[in-house]
Amino acid sequence: DIQMTQSPSSVSASVGDRVTITCRASQGISSWLAWYQQKPGKAPKLLIYAASSLQSGVPSRFSGSGSGTDFTLTISSLQPEDFATYYCQQANSFPVTFGGGTKVEIK
Amino acid sequence: QVTLKESGPVLVKPTETLTLTCTVSGFSLSNARMGVSWIRQPPGKALEWLAHIFSNDEKSYSTSLKSRLTISKDTSKSQVVLTMTNMDPVDTATYYCARIDDSSGYYRLDYWGQGTLVTVSS
Repeated sequence: DIQMTQSPSSVSASVGDRVTITCRASQGISSWLAWYQQKPGKAPKLLIYAASSLQSGVPSRFSGSGSGTDFTLTISSLQPEDFATYYCQQANSFPVTFGGGTKVEIK
Repeated sequence: QVTLKESGPVLVKPTETLTLTCTVSGFSLSNARMGVSWIRQPPGKALEWLAHIFSNDEKSYSTSLKSRLTISKDTSKSQVVLTMTNMDPVDTATYYCARIDDSSGYYRLDYWGQGTLVTVSS
């Protein structure tokens, strides 16, 4: 199975900050990477797919980049509603696997 | 409007078999390059992918849970069923189903159900 490692596991930031989360795959996955946002008590929400494609309706302050084994999710200017946990997920090969999550907390 | 809803028992006993149903609307389980995935999340922990089934009946399972899982679909009822045998307290989690849209050539879980909390306890 492909292992997905996210870093950091948590980050404290202020409104307006630029936040970057990284995800590393244990082997190359081309661009088969998605990012999800999850708020407490809610289902995850798709933000980015194909490593850099913004899902319809997602604000443009979210962006994704990378290919192969190293990927990043960037929030260009953190908003109050962005405090949540973020997960990466690969589907280059089955079984699908998720990263361990990154919690974005208020500083 | 695409919706998915999970249903099943809230409490199961150790060693029992869990059966969860995902009822979908707003799309058909026969749509090409679409499917349904099951994901779970123990309290306070990360997401764990369990299984998926595509419209062409292609299936895949978590390596660690493969021996305990079975996924199937009933297209006429718009339902996907997941069974997990030999339940243990460590299987206590919120179980989600999500739609797979692979039509762009990239697998994405674009719609999710609200989740159902299953507790395993005697």
